[in-house]
Amino acid sequence: QKEVEQNSGPLSVPEGAIASLNCTYSDRGSQSFFWYRQYSGKSPELIMSIYSNGDKEDGRFTAQLNKASQYVSLLIRDSQPSDSATYLCAVWDNYGQNFVFGPGTRLSVLP
Amino acid sequence: DGGITQSPKYLFRKEGQNVTLSCEQNLNHDAMYWYRQDPGQGLRLIYYSQIVNDFQKGDIAEGYSVSREKKESFPLTVTSAQKNPTAFYLCASSHRTGAYGYTFGSGTRLTVV
Repeated sequence: QKEVEQNSGPLSVPEGAIASLNCTYSDRGSQSFFWYRQYSGKSPELIMSIYSNGDKEDGRFTAQLNKASQYVSLLIRDSQPSDSATYLCAVWDNYGQNFVFGPGTRLSVLP
Repeated sequence: DGGITQSPKYLFRKEGQNVTLSCEQNLNHDAMYWYRQDPGQGLRLIYYSQIVNDFQKGDIAEGYSVSREKKESFPLTVTSAQKNPTAFYLCASSHRTGAYGYTFGSGTRLTVV
Protein backbone atom coordinates (compact mmCIF):
# COMPACT_ATOMS: atom_id res chain seq x y z
CA GLN A 1 0.00 0.00 0.00
CA LYS A 2 1.62 3.21 -1.16
CA GLU A 3 1.41 5.97 1.41
CA VAL A 4 1.58 9.73 1.42
CA GLU A 5 1.91 11.46 4.76
CA GLN A 6 1.38 15.04 5.83
CA ASN A 7 1.10 16.82 9.15
CA SER A 8 -2.62 17.34 9.68
CA GLY A 9 -2.13 20.65 11.42
CA PRO A 10 -3.66 23.05 11.91
CA LEU A 11 -0.69 25.15 10.92
CA SER A 12 -1.17 28.73 11.98
CA VAL A 13 0.94 31.56 10.57
CA PRO A 14 0.56 35.35 10.77
CA GLU A 15 -0.36 37.30 7.67
CA GLY A 16 2.71 38.07 5.56
CA ALA A 17 4.75 35.15 6.90
CA ILE A 18 6.04 32.11 5.02
CA ALA A 19 3.94 28.95 5.40
CA SER A 20 5.80 25.66 4.95
CA LEU A 21 3.83 22.50 4.19
CA ASN A 22 5.53 19.13 4.10
CA CYS A 23 4.80 15.75 2.55
CA THR A 24 6.60 12.39 2.52
CA TYR A 25 5.84 9.42 0.31
CA SER A 26 6.65 5.74 0.45
CA ASP A 27 7.12 4.77 -3.23
CA ARG A 28 10.71 5.47 -4.22
CA GLY A 29 9.76 5.14 -7.91
CA SER A 30 7.29 8.01 -7.86
CA GLN A 31 7.90 10.65 -10.53
CA SER A 32 4.99 13.11 -10.42
CA PHE A 33 3.95 15.25 -7.48
CA PHE A 34 1.10 17.71 -7.16
CA TRP A 35 -0.22 20.15 -4.59
CA TYR A 36 -3.96 20.92 -4.33
CA ARG A 37 -5.75 23.52 -2.26
CA GLN A 38 -9.19 22.72 -0.86
CA TYR A 39 -11.42 25.29 0.76
CA SER A 40 -13.98 24.01 3.25
CA GLY A 41 -16.91 22.39 1.47
CA LYS A 42 -15.33 22.79 -1.96
CA SER A 43 -13.46 20.50 -4.33
CA PRO A 44 -9.64 20.52 -4.57
CA GLU A 45 -7.99 22.87 -7.05
CA LEU A 46 -4.55 22.36 -8.54
CA ILE A 47 -1.82 24.71 -7.32
CA MET A 48 1.44 23.26 -8.56
CA SER A 49 3.13 20.23 -10.02
CA ILE A 50 6.78 19.19 -9.72
CA TYR A 51 8.67 16.35 -11.37
CA SER A 52 12.41 17.08 -10.90
CA ASN A 53 14.56 17.51 -7.83
CA GLY A 54 14.93 21.10 -6.73
CA ASP A 55 12.64 24.09 -6.54
CA LYS A 56 9.84 25.26 -8.80
CA GLU A 57 8.37 28.72 -8.30
CA ASP A 58 5.01 30.10 -9.39
CA GLY A 59 4.12 33.48 -7.95
CA ARG A 60 3.97 33.23 -4.17
CA PHE A 61 4.20 29.44 -4.28
CA THR A 62 7.37 27.34 -4.37
CA ALA A 63 7.36 23.56 -4.59
CA GLN A 64 10.46 21.67 -3.50
CA LEU A 65 11.26 18.05 -4.30
CA ASN A 66 13.94 15.76 -2.89
CA LYS A 67 13.54 12.28 -4.34
CA ALA A 68 16.41 10.81 -2.34
CA SER A 69 14.65 11.76 0.89
CA GLN A 70 11.19 11.05 -0.61
CA TYR A 71 10.09 14.49 0.47
CA VAL A 72 8.11 17.24 -1.23
CA SER A 73 7.16 20.58 0.24
CA LEU A 74 5.15 23.68 -0.58
CA LEU A 75 6.17 27.15 0.55
CA ILE A 76 3.69 30.01 0.49
CA ARG A 77 5.34 33.41 0.75
CA ASP A 78 3.55 36.54 1.99
CA SER A 79 0.69 34.39 3.31
CA GLN A 80 -2.76 35.93 3.08
CA PRO A 81 -5.96 35.09 5.01
CA SER A 82 -7.37 33.86 1.68
CA ASP A 83 -4.70 31.13 1.72
CA SER A 84 -6.45 29.55 4.71
CA ALA A 85 -7.46 26.13 3.42
CA THR A 86 -6.46 22.48 3.49
CA TYR A 87 -3.50 21.61 1.27
CA LEU A 88 -3.37 18.14 -0.23
CA CYS A 89 -0.20 16.44 -1.46
CA ALA A 90 -0.77 13.97 -4.33
CA VAL A 91 1.71 11.45 -5.72
CA TRP A 92 1.15 9.56 -8.97
CA ASP A 93 1.15 5.77 -8.56
CA ASN A 94 2.56 4.35 -11.81
CA TYR A 95 1.41 0.82 -10.97
CA GLY A 96 -2.14 1.68 -9.91
CA GLN A 97 -2.46 4.48 -12.50
CA ASN A 98 -4.02 6.92 -10.04
CA PHE A 99 -3.00 9.60 -7.57
CA VAL A 100 -2.47 8.75 -3.92
CA PHE A 101 -3.40 11.65 -1.66
CA GLY A 102 -2.10 12.60 1.74
CA PRO A 103 -4.61 13.45 4.49
CA GLY A 104 -4.00 17.18 3.97
CA THR A 105 -2.62 19.96 6.15
CA ARG A 106 -5.02 22.62 7.37
CA LEU A 107 -3.46 26.08 7.13
CA SER A 108 -4.80 29.07 9.00
CA VAL A 109 -3.40 32.53 8.16
CA LEU A 110 -4.14 34.96 10.95
CA PRO A 111 -4.79 38.64 10.06
CA ASP B 1 -15.53 25.74 -21.69
CA GLY B 2 -14.16 22.33 -20.89
CA GLY B 3 -14.82 20.94 -17.47
CA ILE B 4 -16.24 18.19 -15.32
CA THR B 5 -19.79 18.34 -13.98
CA GLN B 6 -21.16 16.47 -11.01
CA SER B 7 -24.83 16.29 -10.12
CA PRO B 8 -26.68 16.65 -7.93
CA LYS B 9 -24.82 18.93 -5.53
CA TYR B 10 -26.78 17.56 -2.56
CA LEU B 11 -28.43 14.15 -2.30
CA PHE B 12 -30.41 12.51 0.44
CA ARG B 13 -30.73 8.76 0.69
CA LYS B 14 -33.16 6.75 2.71
CA GLU B 15 -32.10 3.54 4.40
CA GLY B 16 -32.02 0.62 1.96
CA GLN B 17 -32.12 2.83 -1.12
CA ASN B 18 -29.72 2.88 -4.07
CA VAL B 19 -28.72 6.27 -5.40
CA THR B 20 -26.68 7.27 -8.46
CA LEU B 21 -24.27 10.18 -8.65
CA SER B 22 -23.61 11.64 -12.07
CA CYS B 23 -20.21 12.69 -13.45
CA GLU B 24 -19.71 14.07 -16.97
CA GLN B 25 -16.57 15.56 -18.53
CA ASN B 26 -15.89 17.27 -21.86
CA LEU B 27 -12.12 17.43 -21.49
CA ASN B 28 -11.50 14.41 -23.72
CA HIS B 29 -9.78 12.71 -20.77
CA ASP B 30 -9.40 8.96 -20.96
CA ALA B 31 -9.33 8.36 -17.21
CA MET B 32 -12.00 9.07 -14.63
CA TYR B 33 -12.05 8.51 -10.87
CA TRP B 34 -14.38 8.53 -7.88
CA TYR B 35 -13.18 9.53 -4.42
CA ARG B 36 -14.90 9.73 -1.08
CA GLN B 37 -13.99 12.34 1.53
CA ASP B 38 -15.17 12.22 5.13
CA PRO B 39 -15.00 15.29 7.42
CA GLY B 40 -11.41 16.13 8.27
CA GLN B 41 -10.13 13.21 6.19
CA GLY B 42 -8.22 12.81 2.97
CA LEU B 43 -9.48 11.42 -0.32
CA ARG B 44 -10.09 7.68 -0.59
CA LEU B 45 -10.33 6.02 -3.99
CA ILE B 46 -13.56 4.14 -4.72
CA TYR B 47 -13.32 3.18 -8.40
CA TYR B 48 -11.44 4.34 -11.45
CA SER B 49 -11.54 3.78 -15.18
CA GLN B 50 -8.74 4.20 -17.69
CA ILE B 51 -10.81 3.37 -20.76
CA VAL B 52 -14.40 2.87 -21.86
CA ASN B 53 -16.02 -0.39 -20.72
CA ASP B 54 -13.26 -1.07 -18.19
CA PHE B 55 -12.86 -0.05 -14.55
CA GLN B 56 -10.94 -1.08 -11.45
CA LYS B 57 -11.75 -1.17 -7.76
CA GLY B 58 -10.01 1.29 -5.52
CA ASP B 59 -9.37 1.03 -1.80
CA ILE B 60 -13.00 1.23 -0.65
CA ALA B 61 -15.13 -0.25 -3.47
CA GLU B 62 -17.45 -2.33 -1.29
CA GLY B 63 -21.04 -1.07 -1.47
CA TYR B 64 -20.44 0.93 -4.64
CA SER B 65 -20.78 0.20 -8.36
CA VAL B 66 -19.83 2.07 -11.53
CA SER B 67 -20.17 1.88 -15.29
CA ARG B 68 -18.19 3.46 -18.14
CA GLU B 69 -20.27 3.12 -21.28
CA LYS B 70 -19.12 6.45 -22.72
CA LYS B 71 -15.80 8.26 -22.49
CA GLU B 72 -17.52 11.33 -21.12
CA SER B 73 -19.54 9.69 -18.36
CA PHE B 74 -18.68 7.73 -15.20
CA PRO B 75 -21.73 7.39 -12.89
CA LEU B 76 -21.36 6.03 -9.36
CA THR B 77 -24.13 4.05 -7.67
CA VAL B 78 -24.16 3.93 -3.89
CA THR B 79 -25.96 0.72 -3.05
CA SER B 80 -27.86 -0.28 0.07
CA ALA B 81 -24.87 -2.47 0.93
CA GLN B 82 -22.86 0.67 1.76
CA LYS B 83 -23.72 1.03 5.44
CA ASN B 84 -22.16 4.43 6.04
CA PRO B 85 -22.57 6.41 2.83
CA THR B 86 -22.77 9.91 4.31
CA ALA B 87 -19.78 11.73 2.79
CA PHE B 88 -18.57 14.18 0.16
CA TYR B 89 -18.08 12.43 -3.19
CA LEU B 90 -15.62 13.79 -5.72
CA CYS B 91 -15.28 12.82 -9.36
CA ALA B 92 -12.06 13.57 -11.22
CA SER B 93 -10.64 13.06 -14.69
CA SER B 94 -7.17 13.11 -16.18
CA HIS B 95 -4.99 11.94 -19.01
CA ARG B 96 -4.26 8.24 -18.62
CA THR B 97 -0.72 8.92 -17.36
CA GLY B 98 -1.88 11.49 -14.85
CA ALA B 99 -0.01 14.20 -16.72
CA TYR B 100 -1.17 17.68 -15.68
CA GLY B 101 -2.95 16.20 -12.66
CA TYR B 102 -6.63 15.73 -11.97
CA THR B 103 -9.48 18.02 -12.82
CA PHE B 104 -12.12 17.68 -10.12
CA GLY B 105 -15.87 18.16 -10.28
CA SER B 106 -17.57 20.33 -7.69
CA GLY B 107 -18.64 17.32 -5.63
CA THR B 108 -21.85 15.73 -4.37
CA ARG B 109 -22.69 15.76 -0.70
CA LEU B 110 -24.65 12.62 0.19
CA THR B 111 -26.59 12.35 3.44
CA VAL B 112 -28.52 9.38 4.81
CA VAL B 113 -31.88 10.37 6.28
